[in-house]
Amino acid sequence: QKEVEQNSGPLSVPEGAIASLNCTYSDRGSQSFFWYRQYSGKSPELIMFIYSNGDKEDGRFTAQLNKASQYVSLLIRDSQPSDSATYLCAVDGRFGAGTRLTVKP
Amino acid sequence: GAGVSQTPSNKVTEKGKYVELRCDPISGHTALYWYRQSLGQGPEFLIYFQGTGAADDSGLPNDRFFAVRPEGSVSTLKIQRTERGDSAVYLCASSLSTSGTGELFFGEGSRLTVL
Repeated sequence: QKEVEQNSGPLSVPEGAIASLNCTYSDRGSQSFFWYRQYSGKSPELIMFIYSNGDKEDGRFTAQLNKASQYVSLLIRDSQPSDSATYLCAVDGRFGAGTRLTVKP
Repeated sequence: GAGVSQTPSNKVTEKGKYVELRCDPISGHTALYWYRQSLGQGPEFLIYFQGTGAADDSGLPNDRFFAVRPEGSVSTLKIQRTERGDSAVYLCASSLSTSGTGELFFGEGSRLTVL
């Protein structure tokens, strides 16, 4: 059984702060790691993907992967109210429950 | 079309009825996924097609659920003898990846309500 676990939150941060989202997965052979954002009533949309151990940065977003610990994270710097959404971790097509993030002005 | 298209967008049915949900993926995408999402939950994996064949159907909850993709493009998710617990948004996603590891492009979903 391929499982993906996320802290369901909710997570609340002030505007301008760093939001940290975490995810663990059960299948050690997993190859692809994605973060999607889902606004209420909408479908998921891609934020970032990472395939190799280490960090990957894209603008205000940084994804971190540690395959030995079976752990993926997403950091959002300078958080904005428009970042308020549910963030979904996906590993080889399996999704976690999502973490609801609220950024307060 | 430019994106993944799902029909119907909303379906209300009665307990025990048969339902079909359709997904038209992005042209050229060989991979197609079906998910079920309940309120406050993440997308629950149902089935993954690579071309015409089901590469992984381990997420189908029971034998009332079946999906086909006969020509490697459009897919239909079929639910027999619907139950109230089947009420959810059914999401379809497609991908260019032939290894099941690529970015997923989602449709707008089909909201199923079983009365």
